[in-house]
Amino acid sequence: AQSVTQPDIHITVSEGASLELRCNYSYGATPYLFWYVQSPGQGLQLLLKYFSGDTLVQGIKGFEAEFKRSQSSFNLRKPSVHWSDAAEYFCAVGDQGGKLSFGQGTELSVKP
Amino acid sequence: NAGVTQTPKFQVLKTGQSMTLQCAQDMNHEYMSWYRQDPGMGLRLIHYSVGAGITDQGEVPNGYNVSRSTTEDFPLRLLSAAPSQTSVYFCASNRGNNEQFFGPGTRLTVL
Repeated sequence: AQSVTQPDIHITVSEGASLELRCNYSYGATPYLFWYVQSPGQGLQLLLKYFSGDTLVQGIKGFEAEFKRSQSSFNLRKPSVHWSDAAEYFCAVGDQGGKLSFGQGTELSVKP
Repeated sequence: NAGVTQTPKFQVLKTGQSMTLQCAQDMNHEYMSWYRQDPGMGLRLIHYSVGAGITDQGEVPNGYNVSRSTTEDFPLRLLSAAPSQTSVYFCASNRGNNEQFFGPGTRLTVL
């Protein structure tokens, strides 16, 4: 069975500082991996995805993620955080049947 | 395109009542899913469908029914609501490559 772990429930960073959100997955084959962002009271917006190929993927809003098969990780990074990045972030792994398993989420707070 | 739409946005039910959460998509996607979101638990898959007439259970299917009579619509039915079903419900569709498009959600409270 597939599963995702996001070890950090809540992270606080200063505006302008770099950010890394951790994600570890469990999946038997090559995974489809995603990062979503959710602002309070809103739906989920896709930040980026990895299906195959280059292990460093670029997404929207200046985010990137790196797939590391040896570590079963897909960490999300941003070099300089903006106050508008404060939100909840979800990592997800999918199978070929169209089903996603989500992590518990990491809430990001940004200090001015 | 409207994408994925859900109605209602908010709903309050009493224990034992039934209701249907509506979901529609206009992208001609074969795959549709229902998730529930609870604090600290991320999103969990309730039911999904790989095409009209085909549905299957996800991680937390108990208390919910679905049907898929058309490609566009995928309603979720609560037959007898329970307080444990208080949650935010998201419908999603995808074209088979797992890139899910999510609706805006329905916030359900069961008293």
